[in-house]
Amino acid sequence: DARVTQTPRHKVTEMGQEVTMRCQPILGHNTVFWYRQTMMQGLELLAYFRNRAPLDDSGMPKDRFSAEMPDATLATLKIQPSEPRDSAVYFCASVRGSYNEQFFGPGTRLTVL
Amino acid sequence: QKEVEQNSGPLSVPEGAIASLNCTYSDRGSQSFFWYRQYSGKSPELIMSIYSNGDKEDGRFTAQLNKASQYVSLLIRDSQPSDSATYLCAAASGNTPLVFGKGTRLSVIA
Repeated sequence: DARVTQTPRHKVTEMGQEVTMRCQPILGHNTVFWYRQTMMQGLELLAYFRNRAPLDDSGMPKDRFSAEMPDATLATLKIQPSEPRDSAVYFCASVRGSYNEQFFGPGTRLTVL
Repeated sequence: QKEVEQNSGPLSVPEGAIASLNCTYSDRGSQSFFWYRQYSGKSPELIMSIYSNGDKEDGRFTAQLNKASQYVSLLIRDSQPSDSATYLCAAASGNTPLVFGKGTRLSVIA
């Protein structure tokens, strides 16, 4: 059963610390999305890659967030330095071909104290 | 700005009833539409996709699309307590990423 995997599942850190979240897309899926979900804002698109190339990261605070896809099996989202307002659930999703039927990973629940 | 609007709910229906969830979208160029179910503390799960006007049925679920009215709906027949979740509507045009609504919380009362 092919699934998107994410690590860690939970992260508690202190303000100012670096946070790295990892995502392994479904094998064969060539487009990877990073989302952030909060009660207030809902699901927000942060960045996405196609064939490992970044297509749009306009949803990310550029000064502290960065997203990379070093190879086809790994996408990373880094926050440095982290702030309490970054507390949210971060989801990775992947899709094969078109941008349509996305499959979500289990998410990383981030708490910044 | 492309938007997808949903009533946040909660929508409460008795067990066995039909639950009707609605969604409107602002981008007339939207071509594909999706319903995701999200249980509390879990990730969104795709349950229905629809691309052309009319109805699409899958088990107890029926998605309805009216592009002229920019309206998408999801009907859940014979609602069960296990259907209690937040339902996210999403729309996309061409190769652009999905635009998600904020979701409608459904509560099925036993």
